[in-house]
Amino acid sequence: KQEVTQIPAALSVPEGENLVLNCSFTDSAIYNLQWFRQDPGKGLTSLLLIQSSQREQTSGRLNASLDKSSGRSTLYIAASQPGDSATYLCAGVGNQFYFGTGTSLTVIP
Amino acid sequence: DTAVSQTPKYLVTQMGNDKSIKCEQNLGHDTMYWYKQDSKKFLKIMFSYNNKELIINETVPNRFSPKSPDKAHLNLHINSLELGDSAVYFCASSPQGDTEAFFGQGTRLTVV
Repeated sequence: KQEVTQIPAALSVPEGENLVLNCSFTDSAIYNLQWFRQDPGKGLTSLLLIQSSQREQTSGRLNASLDKSSGRSTLYIAASQPGDSATYLCAGVGNQFYFGTGTSLTVIP
Repeated sequence: DTAVSQTPKYLVTQMGNDKSIKCEQNLGHDTMYWYKQDSKKFLKIMFSYNNKELIINETVPNRFSPKSPDKAHLNLHINSLELGDSAVYFCASSPQGDTEAFFGQGTRLTVV
């Protein structure tokens, strides 16, 4: 059974810092890895999708990497801003989306 | 142009009632899902459909019944609502079962 863990559970950083969110999964038989953002009381917004044949994807200040052999993915956020404050979720994509427990990020102005 | 839309956004109802949540996607995707987000914000799959056929049916009480009249719609009907059903229910779709997913805004169900 696929289990996805995200570390840390919560993170508070001053504005401008670079940060890394971690995601680990137990079963490497996933096809892809998707990162989402969820604002309080809102739905999930897709940030990046890394396909199994890729090792990383970039979108603006966000960079996500995937290492299937070690069962890990990271989301790197450069020059963090208060607007980045949200919960970040990773999901391993197999026959369904296996979600992690989330990292709650607060960027302090 | 909302890609995945759910109605209603909020639903407050009494125990024992029957309610439905509707979901529609205009992305032309073949696969649709229902996920439940509990009070600890953990997302767990309930059902998935591929082109109107049930693919995944996790351990969900029989009181929950999904219906897919066509591949653009996946509705969730809940009978005899219980307090423990209170949660946020998310609908999602993807082109195929193993590609990028798009989520609706969620339906916050409160059973009183």
